Amino acid sequence: NAGVTQTPKFRILKIGQSMTLQCAQDMNHNYMYWYRQDPGMGLKLIYYSVGAGITDKGEVPNGYNVSRSTTEDFPLRLELAAPSQTSVYFCASSQTGTDYEQYFGPGTRLTVT
Amino acid sequence: GDSVTQMEGPVTLSEEAFLTINCTYTATGYPSLFWYVQYPGEGLQLLLKATKADDKGSNKGFEATYRKETTSFHLEKGSVQVSDSAVYFCAPQTRSNYQLIWGAGTKLIIKP
Repeated sequence: NAGVTQTPKFRILKIGQSMTLQCAQDMNHNYMYWYRQDPGMGLKLIYYSVGAGITDKGEVPNGYNVSRSTTEDFPLRLELAAPSQTSVYFCASSQTGTDYEQYFGPGTRLTVT
Repeated sequence: GDSVTQMEGPVTLSEEAFLTINCTYTATGYPSLFWYVQYPGEGLQLLLKATKADDKGSNKGFEATYRKETTSFHLEKGSVQVSDSAVYFCAPQTRSNYQLIWGAGTKLIIKP
């Protein structure tokens, strides 16, 4: 099993550009998450999904959009990139319910200049 | 609201020293409790967990006990190694929506 995969690993965007961060998992997990991690900080939840076709906002959703058309994929769209979106982005997935751990991808390091 | 407090880092220790990283939380009900570790340049991975009061989670020589009365989940290891250098996150999981509550993490540096 590959677990949770993310592409790309690194990306530099100019202000105002858009891009999609890809995330896929092969563990048949219903729950998927997008986090951002700023330097020296913990994780902030951007969006999450409890199953295909269902998404909800987390703590910091502004400037981002998501979709969940399949169980496996959960892409994150950045529209009109801003320097404040410079961060490391992590995708995670988990089984449904409490007590289950979240499995994390390796992250995408995004710089907006 | 729900929150977690960890001791500030960096924590610097010599190899074979005893480690304690304190974690206290505020959460509705009785959350499951997790410790995650992030090695340099990598994503997070589960280190250990405990799902009810007095449970002890353990892995790779690390231990933490779910203390309901003090709402704490302190991480301990008897003898640390250079390879334990990483950032450690204590993360309670709310039972209402299964979200993890994240603090800033504690950076651990082990010197040979």
